[in-house]
Amino acid sequence: ETGVTQSPTHLIKTRGQQVTLRCSSQSGHNTVSWYQQALGQGPQFIFQYYREEENGRGNFPPRFSGLQFPNYSSELNVNALELDDSALYLCASSSYRGGRGGYTFGSGTRLTVV
Amino acid sequence: GESVGLHLPTLSVQEGDNSIINCAYSNSASDYFIWYKQESGKGPQFIIDIRSNMDKRQGQRVTVLLNKTVKHLSLQIAATQPGDSAVYFCAENPLEGAQKLVFGQGTRLTINP
Repeated sequence: ETGVTQSPTHLIKTRGQQVTLRCSSQSGHNTVSWYQQALGQGPQFIFQYYREEENGRGNFPPRFSGLQFPNYSSELNVNALELDDSALYLCASSSYRGGRGGYTFGSGTRLTVV
Repeated sequence: GESVGLHLPTLSVQEGDNSIINCAYSNSASDYFIWYKQESGKGPQFIIDIRSNMDKRQGQRVTVLLNKTVKHLSLQIAATQPGDSAVYFCAENPLEGAQKLVFGQGTRLTINP
């Protein structure tokens, strides 16, 4: 059984650019959630995808968008990057539509915006 | 700019001692709670969970206590080991917007040899 894998592990982008982060969910999981973790803080919910549709969104602007594919992998896209977007982006998969049953988190993508 | 979250609450204990990490949650409607461990460079790792119809739940070397009256959660780790050094987060699952976890700030636990 494979866990959650994220790519790339590290990324440096310039303010105003666009970025795409990728996540492969754990085998058997059909739900993917994305979280943003600023340095020294707890993860904050961005949004969740269930069977290729958005299933809830946190307090993030529309320039944060996502996709889920038929194989349940997912992408997080961020447009018009700002310095405050620098953070660790975590993907978590689960086999439940809601937050129960436990998530399996990936190791994250460290995004630095300069 | 300056990150206000850099100064995590910290807890240092001697190897072999017991540790208690505390967490206050915000939503009285939350009915599911999880403790996560996050090591440097890794994502959060599930430790133990508890539902609101329970006051206590035990795992291997870990115990979670839930006090709904004061909205307080604690994680007890028995006989701490060097590998227990990490940042620990509590997370709540509010009934409204049930698809997300709301994480606390976290506590950095350091095990001294």
